[in-house]
Amino acid sequence: DAGVIQSPRHEVTEMGQEVTLRCKPISGHNSLFWYRQTMMRGLELLIYFNNNVPIDDSGMPEDRFSAKMPNASFSTLKIQPSEPRDSAVYFCASSLRLGKETQYFGPGTRLLVL
Amino acid sequence: KQEVTQIPAALSVPEGENLVLNCSFTDSAIYNLQWFRQDPGKGLTSLLLIQSSQREQTSGRLNASLDKSSGRSTLYIAASQPGDSATYLCAVPNDYKLSFGAGTTVTVRA
Repeated sequence: DAGVIQSPRHEVTEMGQEVTLRCKPISGHNSLFWYRQTMMRGLELLIYFNNNVPIDDSGMPEDRFSAKMPNASFSTLKIQPSEPRDSAVYFCASSLRLGKETQYFGPGTRLLVL
Repeated sequence: KQEVTQIPAALSVPEGENLVLNCSFTDSAIYNLQWFRQDPGKGLTSLLLIQSSQREQTSGRLNASLDKSSGRSTLYIAASQPGDSATYLCAVPNDYKLSFGAGTTVTVRA
């Protein structure tokens, strides 16, 4: 298996622009997680899905952030409008099921908002 | 709220020395604990997952112990190599979420 796939790997955009990050989980995994990593705050969970349904989005920082999972093999995280403080590395992870399973992380998307 | 602390924040050792990385957590009602490795500019790689019923887990030169009652886990890396240089993070579940420590950055000098 190719593992969790994220695109793009790097994104540079200007403040106010819309940013869409994409994730393909490992085939057969039912749970998907979006994390953000910054030097100041470390790794933070933004939202997670189980069987394509959002379960907990309490980590989403603002209404500018939204996430969807239209099917079992694809998820997006959208920021509209983007701001410089959104600059971070965004990781997607998947696991076989919620709970006691290992989470497998993608390589991340480095986002820089100018 | 689960708080996860890792000490030390950074560690530099000569090649061949054994590494000891510490992780502590505030809520002992966990069902597992994971150790991850992160290389610069890369994602996280799962190293070991210890279930709450286990006291330790081993994989090659890596050994992780878990003491739920004291809220501690330790990752031991035997006979360190320059390729072990990375940041090591521990994570504990908080409901279905993972709460991460800030990590210990390890440098193994050749």
